[in-house]
Amino acid sequence: KAGVTQTPRYLIKTRGQQVTLSCSPISGHRSVSWYQQTPGQGLQFLFEYFSETQRNKGNFPGRFSGRQFSNSRSEMNVSTLELGDSALYLCASSPTGTGKQETQYFGPGTRLLVL
Amino acid sequence: QQQVKQSPQSLIVQKGGISIINCAYENTAFDYFPWYQQFPGKGPALLIAIRPDVSEKKEGRFTISFNKSAKQFSLHIMDSQPGDSATYFCAAGGEYGNKLVFGAGTILRVKS
Repeated sequence: KAGVTQTPRYLIKTRGQQVTLSCSPISGHRSVSWYQQTPGQGLQFLFEYFSETQRNKGNFPGRFSGRQFSNSRSEMNVSTLELGDSALYLCASSPTGTGKQETQYFGPGTRLLVL
Repeated sequence: QQQVKQSPQSLIVQKGGISIINCAYENTAFDYFPWYQQFPGKGPALLIAIRPDVSEKKEGRFTISFNKSAKQFSLHIMDSQPGDSATYFCAAGGEYGNKLVFGAGTILRVKS
């Protein structure tokens, strides 16, 4: 089975722009979670989507949003980019999304640099 | 209540030695404790995970020890190899859905 794929792998944007990142989960997985990884704050949970609905949300401003499609693929969007948004954005998928914590499988991430 | 504290920040171990990384949590609602390994330029990869109904779980050279009363868990890497040099993260989850709270990470270097 193919793993979690994320596109693009690298991205350079300028302050004030917006960006959309894409994640394709492992085939058959229905839950997709997003994390931000920075040297200063470490790995922080952004949000989780299951059945096209946001089920969990971390402590990030409203500039960070996401969605999930009927095929479980997910996108996250960051509007009005700030320098501090430079980070590795990781997507993780889980099998069934039953509501109880499951194993999460991470993709390689999208490295975003905001200039 | 959401924190997971991980120590040490970095660790140097001789080849063949035992690497030990410790984590402590506060939220008693957590009931799933995974360890992830991350190499530069890659996403975290699951190493091993434990739930509180057992005190120890072993997979190959990797062992998790879990102390529910102390709210602590640790990763032991036996016979450490240079290829184990990576960053290791503990995490906790289980409140609802798939949301992990991560420790700050430990950079492990195994000297050959």
